[in-house]
Amino acid sequence: QKEVEQDPGPLSVPEGAIVSLNCTYSNSAFQYFMWYRQYSRKGPELLMYTYSSGNKEDGRFTAQVDKSSKYISLFIRDSQPSDSATYLCAMSDLGRGSTLGRLYFGRGTQLTVWP
Amino acid sequence: EAQVTQNPRYLITVTGKKLTVTCSQNMNHEYMSWYRQDPGLGLRQIYYSMNVEVTDKGDVPEGYKVSRKEKRNFPLILESPSPNQTSLYFCASSYTGPPAGEQYFGPGTRLTVT
Repeated sequence: QKEVEQDPGPLSVPEGAIVSLNCTYSNSAFQYFMWYRQYSRKGPELLMYTYSSGNKEDGRFTAQVDKSSKYISLFIRDSQPSDSATYLCAMSDLGRGSTLGRLYFGRGTQLTVWP
Repeated sequence: EAQVTQNPRYLITVTGKKLTVTCSQNMNHEYMSWYRQDPGLGLRQIYYSMNVEVTDKGDVPEGYKVSRKEKRNFPLILESPSPNQTSLYFCASSYTGPPAGEQYFGPGTRLTVT
């Protein structure tokens, strides 16, 4: 079983919709949770970063972490065509010993927002 | 401009012909890492380096070598490439490694091994 599971989609929504992207994970040691956005033919770029459980909001984006369920989400409100990209979740633990420097990515979800 | 550069951006080669993909960053970052991205498998970590002369294996190190002789450079070496190494490769760097530290990714190198 892969340590991080993410539905690859594709997901297609109309402009203005609320988008929900999700990842599940199996390693209870994961403490840091990230969402990267990757436009076509580009490298990923960090979108949001959260530590442990809870919510974090940044403009139209909200990241949620539920450690009890080993489940993280990214919500996009009022989605725009410019949000069309692949969204990758990534996780790491406290980075002690052999896992220092390791980052675990999901497969990515391809999102299209049509006008 | 702060950036991570990779060369070449595209490469088609034959099985067994040694190749090197270069990666360079101008942000004085301590941490650098190589990933490969394949359809349906996502981004997988190949090797990473916490600092000069310190490298460690990621998820899929087999068939690859790296070195970190200078802080700014982190080349990826394929001593004897095989078709299963056909992939999109990304180099990334950050001031500190995971768990903290935003990673900046290069533009990618698309490698085809025939």
